[in-house]
Amino acid sequence: AQSVAQPEDQVNVAEGNPLTVKCTYSVSGNPYLFWYVQYPNRGLQFLLKYITGDNLVKGSYGFEAEFNKSQTSFHLKKPSALVSDSALYFCAVRVGNYGGATNKLIFGTGTLLAVQP
Amino acid sequence: NAGVTQTPKFQVLKTGQSMTLQCAQDMNHNSMYWYRQDPGMGLRLIYYSASEGTTDKGEVPNGYNVSRLNKREFSLRLESAAPSQTSVYFCASIPGGTGGFHEQYFGPGTRLTVT
Repeated sequence: AQSVAQPEDQVNVAEGNPLTVKCTYSVSGNPYLFWYVQYPNRGLQFLLKYITGDNLVKGSYGFEAEFNKSQTSFHLKKPSALVSDSALYFCAVRVGNYGGATNKLIFGTGTLLAVQP
Repeated sequence: NAGVTQTPKFQVLKTGQSMTLQCAQDMNHNSMYWYRQDPGMGLRLIYYSASEGTTDKGEVPNGYNVSRLNKREFSLRLESAAPSQTSVYFCASIPGGTGGFHEQYFGPGTRLTVT
């Protein structure tokens, strides 16, 4: 079965320190991976995606993610955390009929990032 | 552009009541989706519409129906609400629809409580 796992319910980091939010996946075929962020009482916002090419993907707000095929991981990273980065982060993998008209996402359970001042 | 809009923002229903959640997008997107978000479970797909005139079941369709009214609008109906349907509901849309790799655009959500 195709799935996404986010092993940490919460990640705590001090402001200015680097942060990592973990994601592993299980898919048949090539993985197409996404990170979204959700601020309180808001919808999800797209951060970045990996489709093909360079394993290090850069996205919005200074975030980046590293695709590792051998470890089936797509961890989200930022060199220096801000208090304003505190939010709920979701990893997702695209599944469906790639040659047809479907384009569905399977989401992880989310990781709450708390950045302390 | 307003993006993806959802109405209402909040709703409280009694068990057995019905209601329709509305979603509209002004980005000329082809595909639209309905998700529910529950604590510790992430987002789960209820129904989706790959293009105008088509709808398909997602992961958790039981108790729901949908209508793709036109290219802009995709509504979700609860015919007889149950407490298990207490959740936050998100609508999303995506350009294209035929094998593309675009990200989904999400609405602000509807918080539904069924008592």
